[in-house]
Amino acid sequence: DAGVTQSPTHLIKTRGQQVTLRCSPKSGHDTVSWYQQALGQGPQFIFQYYEEEERQRGNFPDRFSGHQFPNYSSELNVNALLLGDSALYLCASSRDREYQETQYFGPGTRLLVL
Amino acid sequence: AQSVTQLDSHVSVSEGTPVLLRCNYSSSYSPSLFWYVQHPNKGLQLLLKYTSAATLVKGINGFEAEFKKSETSFHLTKPSAHMSDAAEYFCVVSFTGGGNKLTFGTGTQLKVEL
Repeated sequence: DAGVTQSPTHLIKTRGQQVTLRCSPKSGHDTVSWYQQALGQGPQFIFQYYEEEERQRGNFPDRFSGHQFPNYSSELNVNALLLGDSALYLCASSRDREYQETQYFGPGTRLLVL
Repeated sequence: AQSVTQLDSHVSVSEGTPVLLRCNYSSSYSPSLFWYVQHPNKGLQLLLKYTSAATLVKGINGFEAEFKKSETSFHLTKPSAHMSDAAEYFCVVSFTGGGNKLTFGTGTQLKVEL
């Protein structure tokens, strides 16, 4: 059973560019959450997708957007990249119907903005 | 609002000695509490979780944590440290009805010395 997968593993962009990160949830999971982990810090919640809609959002600007597909996979898009967007981006999946569900994390995509 | 405070940014122990990683939480609702571990260049792995059942929670690799409501604490312990335990540990809180948004502490770097 494959766990949560993310692509690409590493990415280098320049300021002002746009980036798309991808996530495939664990089999049987229907909810995807995205987190940003800056160097030396704990992950920060960006947003969560369920039934192809954004259900909850953290304190991130509109430059951060996402999408969930019918197969439950998800994308994170960041526009007008800033140097401060350099971070490890983590995707986590879970089952919405499971009480106090556990989130399982992928290995992350490391984004460097130059 | 919910939050967690990890009281130590770095902890160093000798192999074979006990481990104690401290965490205090703040939550207006009944919390779910988790400990995740992150090894270098790897994703987050769930060690254990508390979901209002038994207050003493046993996890993987010999770790356990005790939920103490009166002290708003959820400290992580292990009787005997192993070299492979060296990693970053995160205390995490969420609450029922909160859409399962995870709020992470700043992390504790555990070093295990021979």
